Amino acid sequence: SAVISQKPSRDICQRGTSLTIQCQVDSQVTMMFWYRQQPGQSLTLIATANQGSEATYESGFVIDKFPISRPNLTFSTLTVSNMSPEDSSIYLCSVGPSTGELFFGEGSRLTVL
Amino acid sequence: DQQVKQNSPSLSVQEGRISILNCDYTNSMFDYFLWYKKYPAEGPTFLISISSIKDKNEDGRFTVFLNKSAKHLSLHIVPSQPGDSAVYFCAASASSDYKLSFGAGTTVTVRA
Repeated sequence: SAVISQKPSRDICQRGTSLTIQCQVDSQVTMMFWYRQQPGQSLTLIATANQGSEATYESGFVIDKFPISRPNLTFSTLTVSNMSPEDSSIYLCSVGPSTGELFFGEGSRLTVL
Repeated sequence: DQQVKQNSPSLSVQEGRISILNCDYTNSMFDYFLWYKKYPAEGPTFLISISSIKDKNEDGRFTVFLNKSAKHLSLHIVPSQPGDSAVYFCAASASSDYKLSFGAGTTVTVRA
């Protein structure tokens, strides 16, 4: 399994600001994804981070709100833009082969005041 | 639209006894099923999986059962240990699509 590092592990943010979360993997991976886990909720897929091209977003998520970069096969960033309290969640980076189990980072817990 | 459902938000079991976690799904295209375990302040860790061509998969203390006709799967943990206390997520995907759909999770507490 890959070792996945996320930064920051947690942060408290002010309404209206933006925060970028970094995900670093110790090996090249085919697939990278960003998930969100709102308080008491399940994990929801935000988008697939595509290397060298625009991310593929799931229904209900848009690039203006959650811009994603993936410059190479080991690194990706997710930005949460113009934050509101509803964005308070755990944001998780995950990686995997084209099919099968995914491996997750430890998550970035964001609290928006 | 929740395609994977875990209807029991919590489960309490005595150490040494069996823990049974249940999961239902609605999407008939799902053919690969997984269980993840999550401790507080950590990301989910993969536990065990099963393909739709099987009805049972066993790995040590963990066994997953799949009933395709009922669109139901379960995870059995025998014997339960205090270190098993965590949130368990059921997940599913279709071979035509790499995306995982997750249930809401079941919090397991193993009592000494």
